[in-house]
Amino acid sequence: NAGVMQNPRHLVRRRGQEARLRCSPMKGHSHVYWYRQLPEEGLKFMVYLQKENIIDESGMPKERFSAEFPKEGPSILRIQQVVRGDSAAYFCASSPVGGGMRQPQHFGDGTRLSIL
Amino acid sequence: AQTVTQSQPEMSVQEAETVTLSCTYDTSESDYYLFWYKQPPSRQMILVIRQEAYKQQNATENRFSVNFQKAAKSFSLKISDSQLGDAAMYFCAYRSRGGATNKLIFGTGTLLAVQP
Repeated sequence: NAGVMQNPRHLVRRRGQEARLRCSPMKGHSHVYWYRQLPEEGLKFMVYLQKENIIDESGMPKERFSAEFPKEGPSILRIQQVVRGDSAAYFCASSPVGGGMRQPQHFGDGTRLSIL
Repeated sequence: AQTVTQSQPEMSVQEAETVTLSCTYDTSESDYYLFWYKQPPSRQMILVIRQEAYKQQNATENRFSVNFQKAAKSFSLKISDSQLGDAAMYFCAYRSRGGATNKLIFGTGTLLAVQP
């Protein structure tokens, strides 16, 4: 039973380039969450999506960042025109319904984004 | 807005001894979930233990147990018979039970070292 799959594991971009991070949720999970972990800090919520819908994007920066979870395929977190401050570990989590007690969020291994 | 505070940036414990990690939170809600996640050097986020706020009984998972004090808004994690594999960053997290969002709010973490 495969867990949450994130790729790539490591991504290096130069300033001004675009970064695309992918997340395939666990089988049977229809809810996806993205979190960002800056160096020496805890995880910060970015966005919560269900299939084809953004439910909560209160943690997303207003510019350059976008997320989608299409009907088919993985969820994508897209960062345009990356800057040094975007360097972080980006974690994806998934849950089947609501992520409550019996269905907590299961995390992927994260994508470490480095900006040169 | 809810906040989670972990006041111990680092802790150390001898192998086979017991250690307690502190977590306090601030919320005006009466029903919510609390979690402890472990992040070893591999960076994977692993769910350790979970607690529902309306349950009086403290949750226990093998060597891991919590001391949940709802009035004091405190949720500490006790690790008994510490093992070398317990060395990791530990994050306390909060999640509202109601509402449309399922986001987790994390503390800044406690780095636990286990001495042989």
